Amino acid sequence: DGGITQSPKYLFRKEGQNVTLSCEQNLNHDAMYWYRQDPGQGLRLIYYSQIVNDFQKGDIAEGYSVSREKKESFPLTVTSAQKNPTAFYLCASSEQGGKLFFGSGTQLSVL
Amino acid sequence: GEDVEQSLFLSVREGDSSVINCTYTDSSSTYLYWYKQEPGAGLQLLTYIFSNMDMKQDQRLTVLLNKKDKHLSLRIADTQTGDSAIYFCAETGYSTLTFGKGTMLLVSP
Repeated sequence: DGGITQSPKYLFRKEGQNVTLSCEQNLNHDAMYWYRQDPGQGLRLIYYSQIVNDFQKGDIAEGYSVSREKKESFPLTVTSAQKNPTAFYLCASSEQGGKLFFGSGTQLSVL
Repeated sequence: GEDVEQSLFLSVREGDSSVINCTYTDSSSTYLYWYKQEPGAGLQLLTYIFSNMDMKQDQRLTVLLNKKDKHLSLRIADTQTGDSAIYFCAETGYSTLTFGKGTMLLVSP
């Protein structure tokens, strides 16, 4: 089945720790995206990548980093610089300029 | 700038019709979308409409687009308890879609 797989479903971070959220897609889409969702806030764009080995900052990139070494994979690292990381993180992919397909999300919480 | 506005909450009874409204600002948007999110899950594409259309119907879903007023609506006929979810309106933006904050639909038996 084609789709987007996010892992883990739940993740806990200790203070000062970096954590990495995984996102893999087998839809052969060029573009991939990371969103952060807070209750009542809708979706905010963190980073996006339109092609392998290239990515751009979204609206709230501070405290996050990404890489795009393979077309299928777009991992997100939440660094210790992100002081309020508790949120639901959503990965998505699309053909260029097309509709987005979403993964099932990762809930990150701080211990 | 781009901004998409939705009312935050709608409550209906099972069997009634639900209408979720959305206003957007970017008149150059080529497509407008409706997504559904159930608790703890990702967003699921429900339907979309091309900007040169006024209406699109897909089973129980009807999308109406008023380009002059930049107003988009989603009507769900014969609403069921399984339709309870958050519904997001989205427009085509510069780098990706721009989403509204979502409308929580609560369907009571």
